[in-house]
Amino acid sequence: DAGVTQSPTHLIKTRGQHVTLRCSPISGHKSVSWYQQVLGQGPQFIFQYYEKEERGRGNFPDRFSARQFPNYSSELNVNALLLGDSALYLCASSFVGVTNTEAFFGQGTRLTVV
Amino acid sequence: DQQVKQNSPSLSVQEGRISILNCDYTNSMFDYFLWYKKYPAEGPTFLISISSIKDKNEDGRFTVFLNKSAKHLSLHIVPSQPGDSAVYFCAAPRKGGSEKLVFGKGTKLTVNP
Repeated sequence: DAGVTQSPTHLIKTRGQHVTLRCSPISGHKSVSWYQQVLGQGPQFIFQYYEKEERGRGNFPDRFSARQFPNYSSELNVNALLLGDSALYLCASSFVGVTNTEAFFGQGTRLTVV
Repeated sequence: DQQVKQNSPSLSVQEGRISILNCDYTNSMFDYFLWYKKYPAEGPTFLISISSIKDKNEDGRFTVFLNKSAKHLSLHIVPSQPGDSAVYFCAAPRKGGSEKLVFGKGTKLTVNP
């Protein structure tokens, strides 16, 4: 069974550029969440999408946006990149509203902004 | 607002001994708690969870204890193995299921042979 897959695995961008990260959830999972993990910190929640709608947003600026497609895959977009956006971006898929279940994470996309 | 706190950035133990990783939380509304393990260049992998109505959950070498009055949980690994060396994160769902998790900063465990 395929787990959560993310692409690309690594990315280098220049300040001011735009980036798109992609995620495919586990088959059967309709919820996709995005997290940012900077060095020395735990993952920070960015977005949750379910049935193509945003269901939650963390404390991130409007430069961050996302969408979900009919096949439940998702994209995270970041505009006007800053050096501080350098981080590991994690995608997680899960069932919705079911307690005592875990989220499954992809291997992440390592974004470096120079 | 750090609702989930892991105050020990690192822990080093000898192979075969017990590893105890600690986590404190401030939000008494959390329904359950999860522990994730993360190796370098990989995403976090789920390890074990505990519901807020329980005080202990065990899975093989891993046991999680919950003290609700102290808002504290701990992960015990017995016996520790070198392959357990990783960063361990404590997490809790903001509400509902695990779609929106709040993570601690993590504790890096090193198990020495």
